[in-house]
Amino acid sequence: GDSVTQMEGPVTLSEEACLTINCTYTATGYPSLFWYVQYPGEGLQLLLKATKADDKGSNKGFEATYRKETTSFHLEKGSVQVSDSAVYFCALSDRDSGNTPLVFGKGTRLSVIA
Amino acid sequence: DAGVIQSPRHEVTEMGQEVTLRCKPISGHDYLFWYRQTMMRGLELLIYFNNNVPIDDSGMPEDRFSAKMPNASFSTLKIQPSEPRDSAVYFCASSPNRDRPYGYTFGSGTRLTVV
Repeated sequence: GDSVTQMEGPVTLSEEACLTINCTYTATGYPSLFWYVQYPGEGLQLLLKATKADDKGSNKGFEATYRKETTSFHLEKGSVQVSDSAVYFCALSDRDSGNTPLVFGKGTRLSVIA
Repeated sequence: DAGVIQSPRHEVTEMGQEVTLRCKPISGHDYLFWYRQTMMRGLELLIYFNNNVPIDDSGMPEDRFSAKMPNASFSTLKIQPSEPRDSAVYFCASSPNRDRPYGYTFGSGTRLTVV
């Protein structure tokens, strides 16, 4: 079945450091890919998405590029802020599998210290 | 739009009591999902609906859990009787049924504590 694997956290960075959270996937079809963010005490929010190979999703300074050849969708940010502290989830939607729910990774907790 | 609305935000109940969680999806969204989140198990899909019809409830942990969607604007998740191991944050999410991928819009969750 479809699956998403994320790097395990927690990840602790100093403010203005570079961030990369790795995400790889397995899918039977041609999936769309997502990153969600969950701030403390809140629900998940869509951060960015990409629907086809080589697409780059971006939002709030975060970027991720859909790499079909390596089945990856790594999340990056050049300079993190304390306000970026949250849990980040990678997810996929396999359009070829019909109306199946999103498949989520286990989440990666990011802590940014001043 | 006000987004996906869940109530209550927090619920503390005694073991054995019935608990009902509520969700109002975004108007026009045809899919509704119930998730449970715990530190140990992460985010688990419990059940989802399409046009008010349950499609897959294989994630519902036991017969103590039940979910309904009587109309397009309301869904409930009921636990009867509740147990301490049901303590978790329960999320509702909705999604439109067109030209995927749209992803989901999540509610703020209900934090359930069973003592």
